[in-house]
Amino acid sequence: GEDVEQSLFLSVREGDSSVINCTYTDSSSTYLYWYKQEPGAGLQLLTYIFSNMDMKQDQRLTVLLNKKDKHLSLRIADTQTGDSAIYFCAESHSGAGSYQLTFGKGTKLSVIP
Amino acid sequence: SAVISQKPSRDICQRGTSLTIQCQVDSQVTMMFWYRQQPGQSLTLIATANQGSEATYESGFVIDKFPISRPNLTFSTLTVSNMSPEDSSIYLCSVDFSGRGTGELFFGEGSRLTVL
Repeated sequence: GEDVEQSLFLSVREGDSSVINCTYTDSSSTYLYWYKQEPGAGLQLLTYIFSNMDMKQDQRLTVLLNKKDKHLSLRIADTQTGDSAIYFCAESHSGAGSYQLTFGKGTKLSVIP
Repeated sequence: SAVISQKPSRDICQRGTSLTIQCQVDSQVTMMFWYRQQPGQSLTLIATANQGSEATYESGFVIDKFPISRPNLTFSTLTVSNMSPEDSSIYLCSVDFSGRGTGELFFGEGSRLTVL
């Protein structure tokens, strides 16, 4: 079956850049996503990238996709304390008339003031 | 973005009992999804709830354990039946509002269940 792997923890200083990495196994993935979960809250979609793209930038967020290596990364520029959260990587594949997502276990980002 | 409300937000339950979680969306959607997030784990899709038809369950999840209702396009319920401590999890309702079927899911805040 599909598998999505990501490191569990990342700690950075405020103002530095954060890079969260993810690998996946499903070569037929259509979309890849980054979700953010703040303490006690549901998941919030940050951004997603179509599998035929290799980069997407949205303000402080940059997503890089290396389809050959099945590697996805999320770079957060000028990391702030409000960015402290768990970040989930997910990939989708079509099924049952819609896209079904497989999530990684999440990377807990801690931002040190 | 639309609002997804879940009730209860948290509950402590006794082994062997059942609990129904409600999910209310403030706009009509075709598909609603129920996920489980076990402690320290990723999200796992339980089932897809379609209005007017039976829910579609993922491998490892069965209707007898997780019955789902979808009476209209804005509401769904998930029941966790005959609970055991292994069912202690956060249960999340989600929808794809984009209409493009691209998996841009919006999530409720989740229902955190603790089974004693």
